[in-house]
Amino acid sequence: QQPVQSPQAVILREGEDAVINCSSSKALYSVHWYRQKHGEAPVFLMILLKGGEQKGHEKISASFNEKKQQSSLYLTASQLSYSGTYFCGTESTGNQFYFGTGTSLTVIP
Amino acid sequence: NAGVMQNPRHLVRRRGQEARLRCSPMKGHSHVYWYRQLPEEGLKFMVYLQKENIIDESGMPKERFSAEFPKEGPSILRIQQVVRGDSAAYFCASSPPSRWDEQFFGPGTRLTVL
Repeated sequence: QQPVQSPQAVILREGEDAVINCSSSKALYSVHWYRQKHGEAPVFLMILLKGGEQKGHEKISASFNEKKQQSSLYLTASQLSYSGTYFCGTESTGNQFYFGTGTSLTVIP
Repeated sequence: NAGVMQNPRHLVRRRGQEARLRCSPMKGHSHVYWYRQLPEEGLKFMVYLQKENIIDESGMPKERFSAEFPKEGPSILRIQQVVRGDSAAYFCASSPPSRWDEQFFGPGTRLTVL
């Protein structure tokens, strides 16, 4: 029931792009994305609702394909501050909410 | 505008003792969620509460764990007879009424069981 994220870990140089994927085995109503830095609480990035929407702010955007039960997070022109672990959170029918397995992102100079 | 507050930030208990974790939601938020993060693992949902009501406790272990969110005061996550496997970071989040999809997290309580 826990969504699966890929890749598990990625290392980028500053300015490079990355895509993080989140797949669920259940029909989804919405998908959230969070970033967590080591030793800190997760920070909410964005939510995408059923309807196949795409959202973004600054250089971080996401898409949600409800038919495929997948969401992708896009980070463009990565900055050092993007380093952290990214979690997707998914809501399926019955208000069941689960966090994904996490993707560790490291941006190096 | 204070954010979600959790205390204590660090809690050390010996096996068999009780642990009480407190969470004060943001002002205006009436929904509280508890998550557990085991070392090197992702967040796992435990329980979702509104004041005086448990909405969803599907992620709570069947034994030793309980949660409450009284009319007055913070939400409490209680772990009885702690074991080493309970060592984890416990995060609380809160959301506005009817906006469970916008959760703001507290700083977490790191529980260490000796």
